[in-house]
Amino acid sequence: GAGVSQSPSNKVTEKGKDVELRCDPISGHTALYWYRQSLGQGLEFLIYFQGNSAPDKSGLPSDRFSAERTGGSVSTLTIQRTQQEDSAVYLCASRPKSGAQETQYFGPGTRLLVL
Amino acid sequence: SQQGEEDPQALSIQEGENATMNCSYKTSINNLQWYRQNSGRGLVHLILIRSNEREKHSGRLRVTLDTSKKSSSLLITASRAADTASYFCATVFTGGGNKLTFGTGTQLKVEL
Repeated sequence: GAGVSQSPSNKVTEKGKDVELRCDPISGHTALYWYRQSLGQGLEFLIYFQGNSAPDKSGLPSDRFSAERTGGSVSTLTIQRTQQEDSAVYLCASRPKSGAQETQYFGPGTRLLVL
Repeated sequence: SQQGEEDPQALSIQEGENATMNCSYKTSINNLQWYRQNSGRGLVHLILIRSNEREKHSGRLRVTLDTSKKSSSLLITASRAADTASYFCATVFTGGGNKLTFGTGTQLKVEL
């Protein structure tokens, strides 16, 4: 079946602009994660959605970052007033069910460059 | 930060040789996973080992876990040029929710 998809693949924006990154998880997966990979910070967790529970936002670096998941499926990560340090690859992952023992399946990522 | 450390940071070997990568972490875990990344894009899950397991095999991959030392190793046997990639360990910490905490990664280059 189809894997996790993300769009756009690449995004170049100017400092101060807002950007939206989209993630389509694998159908039926109830858990969805956003991670960020940058040269300075490596791979880091941003936010986690599980079903109808309140999301775990503990990894969001600032209040300029927000995410939502509509209808338990597609998720959008929004970065407001982008800064150059936001440049990174943003990775989305989904997992089939609750519980800590299950594998996460990653999308190809969105490479964001803030000029 | 709870990020794990991996060593070596970079490893270059000849095709047919074995490659060993090590990962250390800081707190109690539920499980530890190894991922592979090509060209800085999507991560591919390789293998998961639970906290009550000590060794696991999958094809040419062998993973060990020593919870007393808070460390794991990934062995790739009979390496191939196609194994060239970055390899990351990732842990699910006890009480840390279900999010993955990644190590710093090992860049493996397998030369013909």
